[in-house]
Amino acid sequence: DQQVKQNSPSLSVQEGRISILNCDYTNSMFDYFLWYKKYPAEGPTFLISISSIKDKNEDGRFTVFLNKSAKHLSLHIVPSQPGDSAVYFCAARGSRGGGADGLTFGKGTHLIIQP
Amino acid sequence: DTAVSQTPKYLVTQMGNDKSIKCEQNLGHDTMYWYKQDSKKFLKIMFSYNNKELIINETVPNRFSPKSPDKAHLNLHINSLELGDSAVYFCASSQYVLKLSGNTIYFGEGSWLTVV
Repeated sequence: DQQVKQNSPSLSVQEGRISILNCDYTNSMFDYFLWYKKYPAEGPTFLISISSIKDKNEDGRFTVFLNKSAKHLSLHIVPSQPGDSAVYFCAARGSRGGGADGLTFGKGTHLIIQP
Repeated sequence: DTAVSQTPKYLVTQMGNDKSIKCEQNLGHDTMYWYKQDSKKFLKIMFSYNNKELIINETVPNRFSPKSPDKAHLNLHINSLELGDSAVYFCASSQYVLKLSGNTIYFGEGSWLTVV
């Protein structure tokens, strides 16, 4: 049973436009959410995160929005650049409590930035 | 000066063999993890250790035995390898923080295991 869902396996966006990646979760115990970016043959790299007590966090071109009532978060990238082409994983923490919980991941969305 | 390093990166081995993947982190973290990414690209936690103590064991077969000699190392030993063990294994680390605080988990580059 997937607790973190990314329903779009892929997304194609033109360079310079906004990329919006979506993520839904089912477990209300999650208290911290993260986005990771992954290139082929590399490990996931941390991009941005948000605590459940906030609804927005911004870092440069990247903004994460959290809607707790809808159990939905999204990652906005603006403007999109060719180097942003990668697989983006949504992840959540806190299903068990404690600081060694690990993360529950979605299946990822492959973002393709077209020139 | 890779933060989380794991070896080997690629490993091809026969069914029934025993193999190990090593992991080391130089971030000063006290919590380490093993994740598995299967053929469907699903990234799932296998184990977590905090200060060498096992915290999470996600119903992984007994053939998988993690060992943490110190908090900077978490090795994964796999006995009697099966075809279904073929996957990418990621080591990761973080600092232990309490609930309602954030902790970022940093991943290694991955170890591609192929069992033939």
